[in-house]
Amino acid sequence: DADVTQTPRNRITKTGKRIMLECSQTKGHDRMYWYRQDPGLGLRLIYYSFDVKDINKGEISDGYSVSRQAQAKFSLSLESAIPNQTALYFCATSDKREPYEQYFGPGTRLTVT
Amino acid sequence: KNQVEQSPQSLIILEGKNCTLQCNYTVSPFSNLRWYKQDTGRGPVSLTIMTFSENTKSNGRYTATLDADTKQSSLHITASQLSDSASYICVVRATDSWGKLQFGAGTQVVVTP
Repeated sequence: DADVTQTPRNRITKTGKRIMLECSQTKGHDRMYWYRQDPGLGLRLIYYSFDVKDINKGEISDGYSVSRQAQAKFSLSLESAIPNQTALYFCATSDKREPYEQYFGPGTRLTVT
Repeated sequence: KNQVEQSPQSLIILEGKNCTLQCNYTVSPFSNLRWYKQDTGRGPVSLTIMTFSENTKSNGRYTATLDADTKQSSLHITASQLSDSASYICVVRATDSWGKLQFGAGTQVVVTP
């Protein structure tokens, strides 16, 4: 986990507020991902980036935006947080070669009240 | 419908006992299947990766099996320890994807003294 760090680790915010979650990695990987995890569901992909100039929507991107500031940094923003965005958020990185092993950060627990 | 289904959702076992977790998938065409361990408050960590041609793979006390014909996998934990208490997630990748993963919801394992 130390190779992929996320800040903050926990955050409580109110409906309508803008929130940014940050991710940094020291693995030297080009590819980075944002997922959310809800109880009883598998991790779902929000956004992914293959390099600084390549950003793509995942399966649940509505209500979220991202910024790839550098190879090592990928941030996730909630422009106007709503309660159903309460979840555990994970950043991950991977190499661009098979088997595309993904390495996950420790997660950010976000609560929207 | 989720393309990766895991059973049971949760189980409790006594320290020192064995257990087996199941994973059924419909992801096609199949590239590889991974088992991840996720400790509470941490990101998932890879235990094993198996390709189509592999039917068994071990990592210490963890042994994964794969039957690509029936699209089933299992994870066997031998001589369980308290530190095995975690969620175990089955993850499948298709060959025609860029590395996108399909996640199961996980099996929550609790090892009691």
